Amino acid sequence: NAGVTQTPKFQVLKTGQSMTLQCAQDMNHNSMYWYRQDPGMGLRLIYYSASEGTTDKGEVPNGYNVSRLNKREFSLRLESAAPSQTSVYFCASTRTLTTNEKLFFGSGTQLSVL
Amino acid sequence: AQTVTQSQPEMSVQEAETVTLSCTYDTSESDYYLFWYKQPPSRQMILVIRQEAYKQQNATENRFSVNFQKAAKSFSLKISDSQLGDAAMYFCAYRSVTGTASKLTFGTGTRLQVTL
Repeated sequence: NAGVTQTPKFQVLKTGQSMTLQCAQDMNHNSMYWYRQDPGMGLRLIYYSASEGTTDKGEVPNGYNVSRLNKREFSLRLESAAPSQTSVYFCASTRTLTTNEKLFFGSGTQLSVL
Repeated sequence: AQTVTQSQPEMSVQEAETVTLSCTYDTSESDYYLFWYKQPPSRQMILVIRQEAYKQQNATENRFSVNFQKAAKSFSLKISDSQLGDAAMYFCAYRSVTGTASKLTFGTGTRLQVTL
């Protein structure tokens, strides 16, 4: 099984450019998440989707939008990239929102905004 | 909101020795889950061990065990017989069991070095 697939793995943007990070899972999970990881900050939740058709803000949603396209796919969009959005982005999924099961993570996207 | 604190940015252990990584958390809930994740240089997040708050027995997974002190809101990870492959960032995480608060909250991580 592929698990959670993120694309692209690396991206360089100029300030003001837009882009969409793609995420897909093949485990029939209901809940999906976008995290960003910055040095000394750990992983912080940007947005999450408890189930298909719903999305909610996490800890650091400003500057981002998300779309839960279907049960498999959950995309993260930067409308006007800023240097402060330079980070590693992780998509993750779980069977449900309240499970004690582990999160399945993608391999991350290294984003640099110049 | 729940918070997770890892007060040790870096730790070092000699191969075959034992090391303990600290984690404390703040919550008003009585039932929740706690996790330790490992992130090697490959960036892949790997679940190491998990603990359910209503279980008094400390979880163990081979060389990894936890010391869960619910009253003190402490959840430390002990790695026994440390191996070079244990070198990584380790993240403590908290997960509520109720409604919309049920997202995973991570600590800031502890970088573990393993020396010969």
